[in-house]
Amino acid sequence: EAGVAQSPRYKIIEKRQSVAFWCNPISGHATLYWYQQILGQGPKLLIQFQNNGVVDDSQLPKDRFSAERLKGVDSTLKIQPAKLEDSAVYLCASSSLGNTIYFGEGSWLTVV
Amino acid sequence: GEDVEQSLFLSVREGDSSVINCTYTDSSSTYLYWYKQEPGAGLQLLTYIFSNMDMKQDQRLTVLLNKKDKHLSLRIADTQTGDSAIYFCAERDAGGSYIPTFGRGTSLIVHP
Repeated sequence: EAGVAQSPRYKIIEKRQSVAFWCNPISGHATLYWYQQILGQGPKLLIQFQNNGVVDDSQLPKDRFSAERLKGVDSTLKIQPAKLEDSAVYLCASSSLGNTIYFGEGSWLTVV
Repeated sequence: GEDVEQSLFLSVREGDSSVINCTYTDSSSTYLYWYKQEPGAGLQLLTYIFSNMDMKQDQRLTVLLNKKDKHLSLRIADTQTGDSAIYFCAERDAGGSYIPTFGRGTSLIVHP
């Protein structure tokens, strides 16, 4: 079974630029999550999708972050404009309803 | 305060047992997880335990759950240098959106 795929793995951008991350969840997993992991901290949920609908985006900084999952499979997370404090690993994860959550390897963002 | 707390560092000698501890506050937690994160990688699910269990063993890993004290531990027997990583405790309740809450992680350092 293929795992959660994410790209790009690494990205370096200047502040005020934009960046987009892509995620392909495990086949058949209806639930998709985006987490932000700042160095030295645990992952923090940004947004959760159930199929193509948003379940929870209460911790997503909506002035600069956006995410979509148009067809209920792949998802993209965009940051525009980026700030220095957005430097983190962006982890995508997926699960089937109520079951264990599996993570991708993450997209490492450095904002300079 | 944090919902899930862990000590930040643990150092053990190769071949010894490691015990990583975690406390949580949500009494409605139904699933408790241990994830492993190696440098530059995403989170790998190690094991999980349902809240109606008090122990689970999986090869070198033993999970103990004390629901009364809201305390979870992960014991790694015969710790190897390859076990060096950050270990995250996470808890999830049964209601709402099944979103797990992570601790800040415990860095396990295994030295020869």
